[in-house]
Amino acid sequence: GEDVEQSLFLSVREGDSSVINCTYTDSSSTYLYWYKQEPGAGLQLLTYIFSNMDMKQDQRLTVLLNKKDKHLSLRIADTQTGDSAIYFCAETPTTSGTYKYIFGTGTRLKVLA
Amino acid sequence: ETGVTQSPTHLIKTRGQQVTLRCSSQSGHNTVSWYQQALGQGPQFIFQYYREEENGRGNFPPRFSGLQFPNYSSELNVNALELDDSALYLCASSPNSGKETQYFGPGTRLLVL
Repeated sequence: GEDVEQSLFLSVREGDSSVINCTYTDSSSTYLYWYKQEPGAGLQLLTYIFSNMDMKQDQRLTVLLNKKDKHLSLRIADTQTGDSAIYFCAETPTTSGTYKYIFGTGTRLKVLA
Repeated sequence: ETGVTQSPTHLIKTRGQQVTLRCSSQSGHNTVSWYQQALGQGPQFIFQYYREEENGRGNFPPRFSGLQFPNYSSELNVNALELDDSALYLCASSPNSGKETQYFGPGTRLLVL
């Protein structure tokens, strides 16, 4: 089946690290993505990881992938108030031949000053 | 290089009416995917167009239809609108039939009364 799960809320203090977790179901996903959505806006690509990698670092962002457990995480270092948003992970199952994204319900990150 | 654009930004319709939403893909991208994002949910895949042909469809009824034009822009049409069709409609463009990263537009917010 195709299902992506995320916790709904996360609250951190400014300057701390944030870790947002995601579990997915489809092992055929070639890429796994993290998108950010600010209020009233579309989705902004943050980063992605290829399925044969364990970790990817991109400035303040670190993505960890545990393919055995189908677990993906996004760590944001030195979290700022501008990071407050909803974060979506997405898997990309390819079994149907269509490269659609399956999104989680999103994690709302609130950064406290 | 221009990004993905969508029009209109907001729309109010009544039950039973029909609506057309438009999307201009990013330069060089031949694939457009449409997603519906209900309030508080992650985006759900509606369908994808690749080189003017439908290339996969999600679990949406036939009253959701689409088109892709030779310049790779796209339309989403919804007939016989229902209250539950109220949502943010996102389009995403990508090169190479969606195998690579999809880039999202700002969305059209549709309210059905």
